[in-house]
Amino acid sequence: DAGVTQSPTHLIKTRGQQVTLRCSPKSGHDTVSWYQQALGQGPQFIFQYYEEEERQRGNFPDRFSGHQFPNYSSELNVNALLLGDSALYLCASSTRSNQPQHFGDGTRLSIL
Amino acid sequence: KNEVEQSPQNLTAQEGEFITINCSYSVGISALHWLQQHPGGGIVSLFMLSSGKKKHGRLIATINIQEKHSSLHITASHPRDSAVYICAGQTSGSRLTFGEGTQLTVNP
Repeated sequence: DAGVTQSPTHLIKTRGQQVTLRCSPKSGHDTVSWYQQALGQGPQFIFQYYEEEERQRGNFPDRFSGHQFPNYSSELNVNALLLGDSALYLCASSTRSNQPQHFGDGTRLSIL
Repeated sequence: KNEVEQSPQNLTAQEGEFITINCSYSVGISALHWLQQHPGGGIVSLFMLSSGKKKHGRLIATINIQEKHSSLHITASHPRDSAVYICAGQTSGSRLTFGEGTQLTVNP
């Protein structure tokens, strides 16, 4: 049973470019959350998707957008990349019931 | 002031020592999570608790709802326990608000 998988594992972009990160949730999970973790800090909540809709959103600008597909997989898109967007982006999946979230290994995004 | 605060930020111990990491939160939560993060980024969920105490192997997690405080204890610490330990409060839905993490180093 595969856990949460994220791709790619590493990515290097330049300022102003756009990036798409992908996440496949653990089998049986229907809710996907995205987090940004800057170096040396705890993760920050970006948004959460359930039933193909954004259900909750953290304090991130509109440059950060997402999508959830019918198979529950999800994408995180970031437009007009800034140096400060360099971080580890974590995807977590869960069910709607009160169960622990399962995390992927993250995508490390570096902006030059 | 962060909604979830941990202490200490860094902790160095000798193998075999008893370790305690503390977490305080100022928001209403439905559950408190303890997670472990190894170099490279992967996060593993250790505990999810909303009251009392949970134990798994050498790890023990406690929570005091009235005082909004939780602790993670590691008994008989080992170098393989070296990692970042993060507490997170579960707020609306399954959204998590994380602390800054505690970097634990256990020396042989």
